[in-house]
Amino acid sequence: QKEVEQNSGPLSVPEGAIASLNCTYSDRVSQSFFWYRQYSGKSPELIMSIYSNGDKEDGRFTAQLNKASQYVSLLIRDSQPSDSATYLCAVNTDSNYQLIWGAGTKLIIKP
Amino acid sequence: DVKVTQSSRYLVKRTGEKVFLECVQDMDHENMFWYRQDPGLGLRLIYFSYDVKMKEKGDIPEGYSVSREKKERFSLILESASTNQTSMYLCASSLSLAGGHSYEQYFGPGTRLTVT
Repeated sequence: QKEVEQNSGPLSVPEGAIASLNCTYSDRVSQSFFWYRQYSGKSPELIMSIYSNGDKEDGRFTAQLNKASQYVSLLIRDSQPSDSATYLCAVNTDSNYQLIWGAGTKLIIKP
Repeated sequence: DVKVTQSSRYLVKRTGEKVFLECVQDMDHENMFWYRQDPGLGLRLIYFSYDVKMKEKGDIPEGYSVSREKKERFSLILESASTNQTSMYLCASSLSLAGGHSYEQYFGPGTRLTVT
């Protein structure tokens, strides 16, 4: 059973601090990794994708991938109240079409 | 920008009714997906399609069917709606890269279906 694990939270972070979200996956052959943000009552929105080991930065967001340890993380710098949402981690499968989804981590940024 | 649209944001149906949910994407994506999302259960794949007229069952296909007659349109059908199908239904699409590596999925706004 291929799995993606996330801490459900809630993770509470003060405004302006760094929020760190983590995700581990079980399938060693996974190639593509994604972070989605989902506001309450809305659909998931892609915010980051990463395909190779190391860091990938986009504005206040940094995705980090470590294939040897089978984890991927998302850092949000200078956290804002508008970052409060559930963050979903998704990993490709060897079927080439599907993604395996984590259950999501609820992030709360406190003003 | 990829745009995925769904036919309704909110829908209320009665038990036993046949329900059609439609999804349209405008980016010529090969792959389309139907999920349902329930509190505490996360995203669960109902069906997906990787080409016109092609479909494959996901994790929870029971009580559902799908249709893909055109590349841009993917329909989810609830043959006889039941109260346990009350949920948020999400459609997504993705491109297949050369070599078959999975690619990002883009979601529609969702349809919140209530079956009474």
